[in-house]
Amino acid sequence: DTEVTQTPKHLVMGMTNKKSLKCEQHMGHRAMYWYKQKAKKPPELMFVYSYEKLSINESVPSRFSPECPNSSLLNLHLHALQPEDSALYLCASSQVPHSGYEQYFGPGTRLTVT
Amino acid sequence: SQQGEEDPQALSIQEGENATMNCSYKTSINNLQWYRQNSGRGLVHLILIRSNEREKHSGRLRVTLDTSKKSSSLLITASRAADTASYFCATDPFSNTPLVFGKGTRLSVIA
Repeated sequence: DTEVTQTPKHLVMGMTNKKSLKCEQHMGHRAMYWYKQKAKKPPELMFVYSYEKLSINESVPSRFSPECPNSSLLNLHLHALQPEDSALYLCASSQVPHSGYEQYFGPGTRLTVT
Repeated sequence: SQQGEEDPQALSIQEGENATMNCSYKTSINNLQWYRQNSGRGLVHLILIRSNEREKHSGRLRVTLDTSKKSSSLLITASRAADTASYFCATDPFSNTPLVFGKGTRLSVIA
């Protein structure tokens, strides 16, 4: 199984809501990533989890809170978002946290903040 | 920060023609990867080329790497409408920072 799944596919939330994005992989990968992608732009790295520990936070605002409950799951908790946070949020995984390995991406969650 | 810069930004060709996309980068790298993204979907890994390799093939894809010029090219031969997508190069700087994606080339293949 070489699939990364993400739920939900679409999410509309108000600026006062709290919601979570979920990501799952069963490839035994030990690195997992969250990216944010705006239209016609490349993915921008947000967080990297390495062996279930947060290893990189690319200066992401605290209204985004990642969590890695176990080696297969990655969550992104959202609270008090702004309209400019509307984007495609992509989860990815790789065998180990080394950029010499390909990353497997999920289909993304399309987030709209109203 | 941007490491890779794809050229052209957009490319439109007829089905059956070849498509060439270029990627230039700024610092030394361990390897360079190419990814494809269909509209609004996740990225799919196409090919990885290491810094000591000059050319790599995978099906209709041919990737070259010129480390002296800090550039790479992706050639798609005999293009199909299904090849319509955005193509990103991603580089792995020696400092072992995470992959950094270029701005991408939007390819349209017209049937």
